[in-house]
Amino acid sequence: TQLLEQSPQFLSIQEGENLTVYCNSSSVFSSLQWYRQEPGEGPVLLVTVVTGGEVKKLKRLTFQFGDARKDSSLHITAAQPGDTGLYLCAGARAASYDKVIFGPGTSLSVIP
Amino acid sequence: DAGVTQSPTHLIKTRGQQVTLRCSPKSGHDTVSWYQQALGQGPQFIFQYYEEEERQRGNFPDRFSGHQFPNYSSELNVNALLLGDSALYLCASRRTSNNEKLFFGSGTQLSVL
Repeated sequence: TQLLEQSPQFLSIQEGENLTVYCNSSSVFSSLQWYRQEPGEGPVLLVTVVTGGEVKKLKRLTFQFGDARKDSSLHITAAQPGDTGLYLCAGARAASYDKVIFGPGTSLSVIP
Repeated sequence: DAGVTQSPTHLIKTRGQQVTLRCSPKSGHDTVSWYQQALGQGPQFIFQYYEEEERQRGNFPDRFSGHQFPNYSSELNVNALLLGDSALYLCASRRTSNNEKLFFGSGTQLSVL
């Protein structure tokens, strides 16, 4: 049973376009994290959202945590080729910050 | 400051063999976790080590075992390898005292033939 689902699975867009990636959970987590993973590398944490309804911005990336703390979205404005990679959402429960539960990921390709 | 380092980077084994993967945590980190990432999937938690003991374990069989040394480095051992064990094995470390974020290594790509 997949605790975290992500959509779309694959996304190929032109440079300059906007996109949104979704993460949905069947469980409530203490926090949701977004990672980016490039080929041959480990995941790198982009952001952690903790409070229901929370919105965080990281340059052209906007992250939102759902009110019920079971879903999240990542919006990228004016995508650039450097944004290409696998975007993973992950949930963590209190007192278990090492046992992170990852979704299957969204593979993003930004074409110049 | 070196981040999380893993060795080897690539490994090829045959079914039934045993393998040992190694991880050195980021400087100042005392907790090490191991994850398995199959092709096209997100990483799955195997287990976590802190103070040289296994503290948490994911849904993996006993063929998967580990160890943490006094210098906080860690090993992941897999016995009786199956074709399905082919995956990228990721090590992550964290400083426990201040709930710091996880830092991941680049992984060991294991192929079982």
